[in-house]
Amino acid sequence: DSGVTQTPKHLITATGQRVTLRCSPRSGDLSVYWYQQSLDQGLQFLIQYYNGEERAKGNILERFSAQQFPDLHSELNLSSLELGDSALYFCASSVVPQGVSTEAFFGQGTRLTVV
Amino acid sequence: DAKTTQPNSMESNEEEPVHLPCNHSTISGTDYIHWYRQLPSQGPEYVIHGLTSNVNNRMASLAIAEDRKSSTLILHRATLRDAAVYYCILRGYNNNDMRFGAGTRLTVKP
Repeated sequence: DSGVTQTPKHLITATGQRVTLRCSPRSGDLSVYWYQQSLDQGLQFLIQYYNGEERAKGNILERFSAQQFPDLHSELNLSSLELGDSALYFCASSVVPQGVSTEAFFGQGTRLTVV
Repeated sequence: DAKTTQPNSMESNEEEPVHLPCNHSTISGTDYIHWYRQLPSQGPEYVIHGLTSNVNNRMASLAIAEDRKSSTLILHRATLRDAAVYYCILRGYNNNDMRFGAGTRLTVKP
């Protein structure tokens, strides 16, 4: 158990809908990262937050947004869903954003299926 | 951003050592070399990291070249449970994100 909790574990929804994925970081970790992993794309970095502020942005679509709340949990919002958004979405947390000498811990992921 | 290059796949026999290479020729002086692995149907997990000196922990060893342009993750005795995708990434003071490449898919044969 990494200490990072992602909910829900599985989600099935229809095209055009909107969903929210939730991540609770490890106790004491201030930084949260979101990743998308589909079969043919590998682990794609989406966005990173540190203590409530956005710190880095990767290949995140405009239909997607995220935020980190004062209690440090984070939510990833996916809207106008398309079939191609079906993927595993992982959240990771670490103590500090740069994490040069600290490791990041990953949750078990949320499997999103868009039908 | 400094990038890493890894072989797409490698095979090993059970209980034999495995050496997983990673090239990072554009590494900066403040970049740490991190290794993660992803077991089937799981999130990635941390394996080891280092800066200049070789490092050992209960999971693996990390050998870093003197010029730091390459490194090797060493699994001393591969088990079937070590079959996973292994990722080598660089993390530094200027890198807020943590971007993964394609990694090396390790197959362990009994």
